[in-house]
Amino acid sequence: DAGVIQSPRHEVTEMGQEVTLRCKPISGHDYLFWYRQTMMRGLELLIYFNNNVPIDDSGMPEDRFSAKMPNASFSTLKIQPSEPRDSAVYFCASSFNSGQGQHFGDGTRLSIL
Amino acid sequence: QKEVEQDPGPLSVPEGAIVSLNCTYSNSAFQYFMWYRQYSRKGPELLMYTYSSGNKEDGRFTAQVDKSSKYISLFIRDSQPSDSATYLCAMSGGRGSYIPTFGRGTSLIVHP
Repeated sequence: DAGVIQSPRHEVTEMGQEVTLRCKPISGHDYLFWYRQTMMRGLELLIYFNNNVPIDDSGMPEDRFSAKMPNASFSTLKIQPSEPRDSAVYFCASSFNSGQGQHFGDGTRLSIL
Repeated sequence: QKEVEQDPGPLSVPEGAIVSLNCTYSNSAFQYFMWYRQYSRKGPELLMYTYSSGNKEDGRFTAQVDKSSKYISLFIRDSQPSDSATYLCAMSGGRGSYIPTFGRGTSLIVHP
């Protein structure tokens, strides 16, 4: 099994630019989660999907953040416009059910200058 | 008060020591308890999963849940330098939601 695949692994861009993070979940998993991890706040849930439908986006910090899941094998997290305080590691995770035993990707390390 | 509290450490121990990692929580409705291990520049990986109270053992790892005290522990026997990582506790089942709530993680360093 290939596991959860995220791209890019690293992203460095200037403030104001659009950033798109990508995720391919494990085949057959019906839940997909986007997290953000920082030293200060730990791992924060941003949004999660069930069967490609967004269920809870209350963790999305601002309207600058948006996420889509057009099909069962692909999801994107977009930040537009990006700001330095968005710098963090963003993880995608998937699971068979809502919360027991999530499988994480290796994350995208995002730096906004 | 955060829903899940975890000491960030770092916790530094010599190789071969028994390690105890702990989390406390405030939501008595939590039923599922998990431990994740996260190596540097990697995503968290599920290490142990338990339901309700009691102990669960897997090799050198033992997970313990005490729901009456709202306290969970992960014990690592005969610790190895390869165990050096950040350990995150997570729990779910509260308020009818099965989405896990994570602790901030404890950094463990096992030195040879």
